[in-house]
Amino acid sequence: ETGVTQTPRHLVMGMTNKKSLKCEQHLGHNAMYWYKQSAKKPLELMFVYSLEERVENNSVPSRFSPECPNSSHLFLHLHTLQPEDSALYLCASSQDAKVILGANVLTFGAGSRLTVL
Amino acid sequence: AQSVTQPDIHITVSEGASLELRCNYSYGATPYLFWYVQSPGQGLQLLLKYFSGDTLVQGIKGFEAEFKRSQSSFNLRKPSVHWSDAAEYFCAVGATDMRFGAGTRLTVKP
Repeated sequence: ETGVTQTPRHLVMGMTNKKSLKCEQHLGHNAMYWYKQSAKKPLELMFVYSLEERVENNSVPSRFSPECPNSSHLFLHLHTLQPEDSALYLCASSQDAKVILGANVLTFGAGSRLTVL
Repeated sequence: AQSVTQPDIHITVSEGASLELRCNYSYGATPYLFWYVQSPGQGLQLLLKYFSGDTLVQGIKGFEAEFKRSQSSFNLRKPSVHWSDAAEYFCAVGATDMRFGAGTRLTVKP
C-alpha cells in the first residue's frame, strides 16, 4: 500500500448508528487531516492532528469524534448523524503540521462516501 | 482570513485546445497558492504550488500557473488539453489556514 488509504470507500448508515471511518498513510508524514467535501461547496477542514495531538478543531459537531492513535492512523467516529452530514470525507496527510497551516502540502486519500438515511 | 474564488463552475474545451482556469483570492499579503485536481472517485492530487520566487510555476501533467500580485490571481494553464484531463480542479490559498475554492469542473470534448 502506498499513499493515503481510506476505508470504507462507501458507507450507508441510519441516524442512530455508530460507525467509524479509517485512514492510514504510508508516507512517513507527521500530520493528518479530516476534510468534508459536500456538493458545490468548498472543502471544509474538520480536524488536524500533528504527532497524534489535535491542533485544530473547526467547530465540528460532537457527533464527529476523531482519534489518532499514532502518526500513521486516523479515525473518524460517527454517531447519531444527520442527513446533512452525507458527504465525501477526505483524509489527508502532510510532512508536518506547520504552524502556518496554509503552508502544508497535502496528500489526499480517495475519500469515504457517507450517506446518512 | 483569506478567501478564494473560482469564477467558472464548469468549462468545456476540445481535446488539443488550450485551457485556462481562473482563481482569484483575497488576502492582505502574498499567500501560499496551490492547484489540486480531483478525478472521479479519487482524492485531490497536487498539481503545483507557489510559495515565493518565480511567478510562473510549472507543475505535473504539463500544467503551469502564473501568480499575478496586481490582480490577486493564480490562473492555471495548459497549452493542449488531453481527454484524461477531464476532472475537477481546485485552487487553494494558504495563510493561517488553507481555504479551497468551490472547484471548476473540466469537460473535454473529443
